[in-house]
Amino acid sequence: AQKVTQAQTEISVVEKEDVTLDCVYETRDTTYYLFWYKQPPSGELVFLIRRNSFDEQNEISGRYSWNFQKSTSSFNFTITASQVVDSAVYFCALRPNDMRFGAGTRLTVKP
Amino acid sequence: DGGITQSPKYLFRKEGQNVTLSCEQNLNHDAMYWYRQDPGQGLRLIYYSQIVNDFQKGDIAEGYSVSREKKESFPLTVTSAQKNPTAFYLCASSQLRDSFNEKLFFGSGTQLSVL
Repeated sequence: AQKVTQAQTEISVVEKEDVTLDCVYETRDTTYYLFWYKQPPSGELVFLIRRNSFDEQNEISGRYSWNFQKSTSSFNFTITASQVVDSAVYFCALRPNDMRFGAGTRLTVKP
Repeated sequence: DGGITQSPKYLFRKEGQNVTLSCEQNLNHDAMYWYRQDPGQGLRLIYYSQIVNDFQKGDIAEGYSVSREKKESFPLTVTSAQKNPTAFYLCASSQLRDSFNEKLFFGSGTQLSVL
C-alpha cells in the first residue's frame, strides 16, 4: 500500500522565520517518485519539486530546500526566511503509479 | 498559453440533479485525471484516462461518470447517486500516466456545493 502522511495540519509563522514541512511516506516499491506541490488561494496546484527514490541528494532552490531520507521514509521541505507570499497549502505526493497525496499542510506567514 | 481550463469555478447542485464539470487542456497531454479535495483529506483520485475513449476508476468513482471523446477534454459528471458531492474538484493532466516520473499539471478547480 502507498501512503503519504503530513502530520502538520496547520503552521503559522512570522515573516522571515524558517519553517519545515514534514512528509513521511510508505511504499513497497523500490522505484518511486516524490513530489511537492503548492496550492495558493487561487486553488491551482503548482509543481515545486520531483525526486526519484535513487537520488538522496538534498536540493536547494532559492529559499526552498528539500531533505530526502530513505532510512526514515521522509521527504521534508524547508522554507528559509519565509515571506507572506509563501502562505498556501503544501502537498507532498508519492508516485509509484497513481499520484498519492498527503492531506496537506496549511502554512500561514504573517507580516 | 498552454494549460488546463476548468469551468465553472463555482457550481451548485440541487438534490437529485446531475451536474457536469468541464476540463479542457491544450498541453497535448495523453493522460487526464479528476481529483476530489475535501478539507483535511488531501486529494483523492476519482477517474483517470490515458487515451481517448478509455478511462479507469480511481479510489472514489462511485456516483461519478466521465467521458473522453477528445484528447483535450475530460468532463466529469456528478450524478444524483453521489450523496455527498460538496467538495473542490481538480482536473489534472500529464504526458503519460504510466511513466511515474511525470508531474501533473492542474487546473484551478471547481467548487461544487449542494443547495
